[in-house]
Amino acid sequence: DAKTTQPPSMDCAEGRAANLPCNHSTISGNEYVYWYRQIHSQGPQYIIHGLKNNETNEMASLIITEDRKSSTLILPHATLRDTAVYYCIVRVDGSSNTGKLIFGQGTTLQVKP
Amino acid sequence: DSGVTQTPKHLITATGQRVTLRCSPRSGDLSVYWYQQSLDQGLQFLIQYYNGEERAKGNILERFSAQQFPDLHSELNLSSLELGDSALYFCASSVGGGPAGNTEAFFGQGTRLTVV
Repeated sequence: DAKTTQPPSMDCAEGRAANLPCNHSTISGNEYVYWYRQIHSQGPQYIIHGLKNNETNEMASLIITEDRKSSTLILPHATLRDTAVYYCIVRVDGSSNTGKLIFGQGTTLQVKP
Repeated sequence: DSGVTQTPKHLITATGQRVTLRCSPRSGDLSVYWYQQSLDQGLQFLIQYYNGEERAKGNILERFSAQQFPDLHSELNLSSLELGDSALYFCASSVGGGPAGNTEAFFGQGTRLTVV
């Protein structure tokens, strides 16, 4: 699975959009981009994933660049409860691959009032 | 609530002892994954089972073992415990993770193990 690079920390004002970047320049064509977050020692929480098209769900939006070498997770209106460590993971989802997720260090997002 | 249940939530035990952590996956999920999170190591993948069979192995020590039962619940056994085994242990489950391909995984709230 390709390696990802994320900034170690970011701040965001409450109510504003939080844009979390992820670099995955060595991503291959069959690798998906997954985002999880972990709120203070709770179990990691699935947020969203995508292959090449932009994706949106009730939690967030995922924007993947056309060359797929980077992506951005967008929390449209951050709240204090969004303070967490955010993990960007790339993974092949084919039938010959397992579903294991390899976590990096992630980005610690601090939402401030 | 992810639907993944882990018991116990907290466990304190002495060095040299053996403990068993239990995980009940979400209804219908065939894969179970175990992860360890210690303060200095981050989230480390240990092992995956799919429909009762071992599917993938990560950085799991020989003192640790796991299994998945016919009802799909899983147990992680940790033996000859050392101080350094103190950590959060998470279980996750997913529908996929097998021959049909992968899907997103959902995590339980973890078991906090303290070895004294």
